[in-house]
Amino acid sequence: GAGVSQSPSNKVTEKGKDVELRCDPISGHTALYWYRQSLGQGLEFLIYFQGNSAPDKSGLPSDRFSAERTGGSVSTLTIQRTQQEDSAVYLCASSFYQNEQFFGPGTRLTVL
Amino acid sequence: GQQLNQSPQSMFIQEGEDVSMNCTSSSIFNTWLWYKQDPGEGPVLLIALYKAGELTSNGRLTAQFGITRKDSFLNISASIPSDVGIYFCAGPSYNTGKLIFGQGTTLQVKP
Repeated sequence: GAGVSQSPSNKVTEKGKDVELRCDPISGHTALYWYRQSLGQGLEFLIYFQGNSAPDKSGLPSDRFSAERTGGSVSTLTIQRTQQEDSAVYLCASSFYQNEQFFGPGTRLTVL
Repeated sequence: GQQLNQSPQSMFIQEGEDVSMNCTSSSIFNTWLWYKQDPGEGPVLLIALYKAGELTSNGRLTAQFGITRKDSFLNISASIPSDVGIYFCAGPSYNTGKLIFGQGTTLQVKP
């Protein structure tokens, strides 16, 4: 079956612009996560959605970052007024409740 | 909060050598997961462990769930160049279920 998909695969934007990154999780998965990964580094947790519960936003680095998950499926991560330090790969993952996560290929964001 | 500590942070080995890496925590985990991330890709699940003491193999990979439930190790036998990547351990937080990741072990294999 289809895995987790993310779009766009690459995004280049100018400092100060807003960007939206999309994640389509595996159908039926209840949990969805967003992570950020700088080159050669580990996974920085951003936000976690589980079913209809309030999302865990404890990893969002600033109020310029927000995410929503519509209808318990597709999720959008929005970064407002992008800064150069926002440049990274943004990874999305989904899972069925607390089981193992499946990752998408990521969106590489470059802020000029 | 719960944390997972991986060691070593990086390894540079000769093709054909065996590799061992581990993951430890001061907290108990009920599940241990091992992921591999190839350059430019998202992490992919290699092995999942659900029971203390469990030893599971996947080809040349072997992982064990420590008896204390506070550690796990991953072994790779007879390494090959395509084993290059970052290896992450992970486990669900006991109070939220959120998956917690270690900081990763970067493996480089010299042909």
